[in-house]
Amino acid sequence: KAGVTQTPRYLIKTRGQQVTLSCSPISGHRSVSWYQQTPGQGLQFLFEYFSETQRNKGNFPGRFSGRQFSNSRSEMNVSTLELGDSALYLCASSFSSGANVLTFGAGSRLTVL
Amino acid sequence: DAKTTQPPSMDCAEGRAANLPCNHSTISGNEYVYWYRQIHSQGPQYIIHGLKNNETNEMASLIITEDRKSSTLILPHATLRDTAVYYCIVRLLQGGSEKLVFGKGTKLTVNP
Repeated sequence: KAGVTQTPRYLIKTRGQQVTLSCSPISGHRSVSWYQQTPGQGLQFLFEYFSETQRNKGNFPGRFSGRQFSNSRSEMNVSTLELGDSALYLCASSFSSGANVLTFGAGSRLTVL
Repeated sequence: DAKTTQPPSMDCAEGRAANLPCNHSTISGNEYVYWYRQIHSQGPQYIIHGLKNNETNEMASLIITEDRKSSTLILPHATLRDTAVYYCIVRLLQGGSEKLVFGKGTKLTVNP
C-alpha cells in the first residue's frame, strides 16, 4: 500500500513569506502528526490532527498552524518565515490518535533565505 | 521529555551483531519500550516495541531486563544500510494526549 506522501519535497523561501506543506496519510489512517527536525533541536513535535480536530500541540509560535480535511489529508502552514524555520518537516500517520507506532513520510525540506 | 538515556554514538562491523543499549530507570509498570531509527534525511522508521518479554521481528530483537530499567536493541547481522540514528522511547501503550518524544538517539555507524 502507498506510504505517507509529503509535498513538496524541497522548497526555498525568503524571510517574511509563508509556506504550505501537504501530507497524505496511509489509506485508513485518521491521525496525522507533524514534526520539525533541525540539527540543533532534533525532532520536535508540532501538532497532531485526528478526525479534522487538533488533538495535541507542541511549543511552537502561532505562526505555525495546521488543518486536516475530511479525507484525513493534512496541511501545515508557516507564516512570516524566519531563517530559523529552515528545517525538515516530517509528517506521520497512524490509525488512532496518540498511537505510538507512526509511519513517517520522507519529509519536506524547507530552506529560508 | 525523554525518559531514556542512550550513548550518542556506536560503531559496528558489517556482518556482526549491533547491540544498542537504552536506560529507562524510571519506567512505570504500564509503559512500553519503543524503538525507531532514522536513516539520513529520511523520516523515522518504527522497528519494534515491548513491555517485558523479549521480542523479535524481521528487523531486530528487543531484550528488556527483568527489572525493566534497561533494554537492548539487537540487529543480528548489521549491514551498511543499518547506519542510522536509533531512538529508544518509553511510552504508555495508548499515549492519549501525550506526544511521542524523540530524544537524541544513538548514531550507529556500520563499517565495512
